[in-house]
Amino acid sequence: GAGVSQSPSNKVTEKGKDVELRCDPISGHTALYWYRQSLGQGLEFLIYFQGNSAPDKSGLPSDRFSAERTGGSVSTLTIQRTQQEDSAVYLCASSLEPGLTFGSGTRLTVV
Amino acid sequence: DQQVKQNSPSLSVQEGRISILNCDYTNSMFDYFLWYKKYPAEGPTFLISISSIKDKNEDGRFTVFLNKSAKHLSLHIVPSQPGDSAVYFCAANSIFNTDKLIFGTGTRLQVFP
Repeated sequence: GAGVSQSPSNKVTEKGKDVELRCDPISGHTALYWYRQSLGQGLEFLIYFQGNSAPDKSGLPSDRFSAERTGGSVSTLTIQRTQQEDSAVYLCASSLEPGLTFGSGTRLTVV
Repeated sequence: DQQVKQNSPSLSVQEGRISILNCDYTNSMFDYFLWYKKYPAEGPTFLISISSIKDKNEDGRFTVFLNKSAKHLSLHIVPSQPGDSAVYFCAANSIFNTDKLIFGTGTRLQVFP
């Protein structure tokens, strides 16, 4: 497709379980980002991939969060041992000047 | 530490009037600013941007103003339309970190008939 695709669109998981969120960026975009939006909060930067460079992980809130990007394209954000405070909309974006193109997000609910 | 601040969580404006959304930043290294618009259940979409070499950028009904000395920018929408009702995010970055946008907390705009 022409846009950034995220799956699943919604995910409900039990506290303590691991989840994987997937992002398919726009073809050819070398930069990929993960942000999250918690209820009543702004967009919080999580992690950024640029080409073959080491990712900028400075926004990951804890070591339960990790992300990888395979082949410079698809990315997976993994949250281990989910907690209720992890409930949020997780947004993926790839770079399209002058700004970012976002996917529709994955709404994660931890019960 | 919130480097980009949108102090008004919500704004209500009558159709046809001007909407003014404000954004303040603390990092003097920021030199590029963007506004994004977000509808429910959708990702944010780019709206308009401005670099620090300018103090105004206009695109149709949307104008962004930048006051570098005050570290303040604003988005003006005129005339406002009901379809403008959305959450608006201000974002910023610097030439030293060109690809990492820092977002504000957003302002929910409601335009009523």
